[in-house]
Amino acid sequence: EIQLQQSGPELVKPGASVKVSCKASGYSFTDYNMYWVKQSHGKSLEWIGYIDPYNGGTSYNQKFKGKATLTVDKSSSTAFMHLNSLTSEDSAVYYCARSEDGYSYAMDYWGQGTSVTVSS
Amino acid sequence: DVVMTQTPLSLPVSLGDQASISCRSSQSLVHSNGNTYLHWYLQKPGQSPKLLIYKVSNRFSGVPDRFSGSGSGTDFTLKISRVEAEDLGVYFCSQSTHVPTWTFGGGTKLEIK
Repeated sequence: EIQLQQSGPELVKPGASVKVSCKASGYSFTDYNMYWVKQSHGKSLEWIGYIDPYNGGTSYNQKFKGKATLTVDKSSSTAFMHLNSLTSEDSAVYYCARSEDGYSYAMDYWGQGTSVTVSS
Repeated sequence: DVVMTQTPLSLPVSLGDQASISCRSSQSLVHSNGNTYLHWYLQKPGQSPKLLIYKVSNRFSGVPDRFSGSGSGTDFTLKISRVEAEDLGVYFCSQSTHVPTWTFGGGTKLEIK
């Protein structure tokens, strides 16, 4: 069974940083790109960026360049998203999702989401 | 960036009714390779989005055949032939033709009338 298991909710202070993890199982981790998506206040979805776990190559939404950094640990089949200099605008639920790039280019499996709350 | 516009914002339906959701893109979603990367997702309350339809009209694994997708160019439609209670939630369309920026529609909430 394909699963993406994300880390738990985070409460962080303004100006701090946070690292969200996404552990993949049930498929070959390096065969699919991993995407990250932001959902603010239950509203619509914003693509943050993606990483190719095979070679670590990344692509970012211009809006999130300098805000988000994507990495992977192939040995544990885990993807990470680091968010820095957090403000209230970064309070949201963040999802990881794998994509069948090369065929459908659709995000076919999603993690359960990680809530990040930025508050003093 | 390609803007995805969904209508309606909210769709009240009775169980057993047919439901139809529209998605319009600001640019044609036909890729230079001939494929159209328009997808539909359903987010049930308290859950993450789930893929329903990929590349306009292909149902993802396990998706019931009462869901169907159609359209071309800039205009696309998701139809649910007989709405069941488990279909309630927010539907999103998304494009991945104009990469490297994937974009989503604002969402359509399917709810009971």
